[in-house]
Amino acid sequence: SQKIEQNSEALNIQEGKTATLTCNYTNYSPAYLQWYRQDPGRGPVFLLLIRENEKEKRKERLKVTFDTTLKQSLFHITASQPADSATYLCALDRNDYKLSFGAGTTVTVRA
Amino acid sequence: DGGITQSPKYLFRKEGQNVTLSCEQNLNHDAMYWYRQDPGQGLRLIYYSQIVNDFQKGDIAEGYSVSREKKESFPLTVTSAQKNPTAFYLCASSMGQVDTDTQYFGPGTRLTVL
Repeated sequence: SQKIEQNSEALNIQEGKTATLTCNYTNYSPAYLQWYRQDPGRGPVFLLLIRENEKEKRKERLKVTFDTTLKQSLFHITASQPADSATYLCALDRNDYKLSFGAGTTVTVRA
Repeated sequence: DGGITQSPKYLFRKEGQNVTLSCEQNLNHDAMYWYRQDPGQGLRLIYYSQIVNDFQKGDIAEGYSVSREKKESFPLTVTSAQKNPTAFYLCASSMGQVDTDTQYFGPGTRLTVL
């Protein structure tokens, strides 16, 4: 069956450190993968999209990698700040306008 | 101010009642989606629509119904047949491009069955 797994534990890090989140998937062949941020009680907000033929994508302090052989994406937040505290969701393309979402990883950045 | 609006923010329903959740977008997007989010689970797709007057069932459509009479609007009805409707409901829209489709989400409606 198809499955998307994100870090099962919440991530607590010190301000200024790098947070690294994982997204592993099975039985998918996504053309692209997306990362979203969700704050408590609010809708997700799109952050980054990376295609299957791209190894790495950057946006300001965010970096995403995509390894289709390992079936894994890594999401990095560098120089983390308390304002980065949120839940981060990975989403996989299902080849038909639809996305499948992971359960998310909650990141807490301590000042 | 472009975006997606959902109403109400909080909704309480008695068992046996149908309720309708509103979703409106002014982004001129063709595609619209309804998701359900439960604690510890990913977003699950209920229904989606790629064009006006057309919609398809998602992964968990049982107990729900939708309509798409206007491009801007995609209301979701939670019927009494839905066994466990208490959840956070999210509406989203996208341009409907197969190769790079990004979804824009509304603020959500939290439904509680009393």
